[in-house]
Amino acid sequence: ETGVTQTPRHLVMGMTNKKSLKCEQHLGHNAMYWYKQSAKKPLELMFVYNFKEQTENNSVPSRFSPECPNSSHLFLHLHTLQPEDSALYLCASSQLTGTGEKLFFGSGTQLSVL
Amino acid sequence: GQQVMQIPQYQHVQEGEDFTTYCNSSTTLSNIQWYKQRPGGHPVFLIQLVKSGEVKKQKRLTFQFGEAKKNSSLHITATQTTDVGTYFCAGPSGGTSYGKLTFGQGTILTVHP
Repeated sequence: ETGVTQTPRHLVMGMTNKKSLKCEQHLGHNAMYWYKQSAKKPLELMFVYNFKEQTENNSVPSRFSPECPNSSHLFLHLHTLQPEDSALYLCASSQLTGTGEKLFFGSGTQLSVL
Repeated sequence: GQQVMQIPQYQHVQEGEDFTTYCNSSTTLSNIQWYKQRPGGHPVFLIQLVKSGEVKKQKRLTFQFGEAKKNSSLHITATQTTDVGTYFCAGPSGGTSYGKLTFGQGTILTVHP
């Protein structure tokens, strides 16, 4: 158990569906992240939130909409996804120190878009 | 933009053999981190190197940070089946270290008993 909990673990959705991924961290960290992991590709940073404020949107399509209501919770709202969006979506948290923050990852949501 | 390359992409070894993966960045890094992801699991932080030429050991794992702070390596001595997984290096991107890491594509290690 890493202290970062993601739900659901698996999600199958059609292209016209709307769904949300949830992440909660119990580590008292002040930064949270969404990463995408596709087969045979490096981990791709999607969004960064520092102290609930979004500080990074890595050119992510608008069909992915993040929400960070507080420093412990992070959501990723999904709508009208494409089959190529099928991937493992990983949430992570860290404590900002300015000297190199190590990431604590959740178990991920394996998303399949049909 | 910054690129982090890892080689090899795959490595198959017999249990007891040594293993090394190499990481090269297109830019100088303030620090480099290594993560391990077991099959079906999520990345888990292993170590962070900060100083030029730094060498750190964790039991059978030896991590090195190059003098120019652009490359790094992970060496495992006498591999065991528990070492199976994908090993990623990652370096800060964007000029800050607020978790904006650029990951290498990883080296997938298979250990045959």
